[in-house]
Amino acid sequence: NAGVTQTPKFRILKIGQSMTLQCAQDMNHNYMYWYRQDPGMGLKLIYYSVGAGITDKGEVPNGYNVSRSTTEDFPLRLELAAPSQTSVYFCASSWSAYEETQYFGPGTRLLVL
Amino acid sequence: AQSVTQPDIHITVSEGASLELRCNYSYGATPYLFWYVQSPGQGLQLLLKYFSGDTLVQGIKGFEAEFKRSQSSFNLRKPSVHWSDAAEYFCAVGASGSRLTFGEGTQLTVNP
Repeated sequence: NAGVTQTPKFRILKIGQSMTLQCAQDMNHNYMYWYRQDPGMGLKLIYYSVGAGITDKGEVPNGYNVSRSTTEDFPLRLELAAPSQTSVYFCASSWSAYEETQYFGPGTRLLVL
Repeated sequence: AQSVTQPDIHITVSEGASLELRCNYSYGATPYLFWYVQSPGQGLQLLLKYFSGDTLVQGIKGFEAEFKRSQSSFNLRKPSVHWSDAAEYFCAVGASGSRLTFGEGTQLTVNP
């Protein structure tokens, strides 16, 4: 199993550009999550999904969109990149809800200039 | 809403010394508690978790944590630290809904 994979590993965006961060898991997990990690701030939940076709906002959803058309994939969309979105983004998945272990991808480092 | 505090931003220990990383949580009922570790350039990996039962929980890599309800704490310990333990450690609490709330992390440096 590859576990949770994320692409790209690193990206530089100009202000106002758009991009999609890809996330895939091959563990047949129902739950998937997107976090952002800023220095000294821990991880903040952006969006999560409890199954294909079902998504919900987390703590810091503004400026982001998600979709979940399949169990395996959970892309994160940035429509109009802003410097405040410079961060490291982690995708994670788990079999069920918060009591279960979350498995994390290696992260995508995004720089918005 | 739940919250987590990790009072120590950075800790330095010598290899072979004991380690304790502090974690305090705030939640009205018995929470689900986790410790994750993040090696440089990597995602997070679960070390251990507590749901109920025995308050002393054993994890991977020789780590353990003790849940103390009276102190709202879930401190992580290791009797003898190895250089490979240098990483950032996150405490997390899970409660209502599907969310985990993470602490701000403790960076561990291990001196030879």
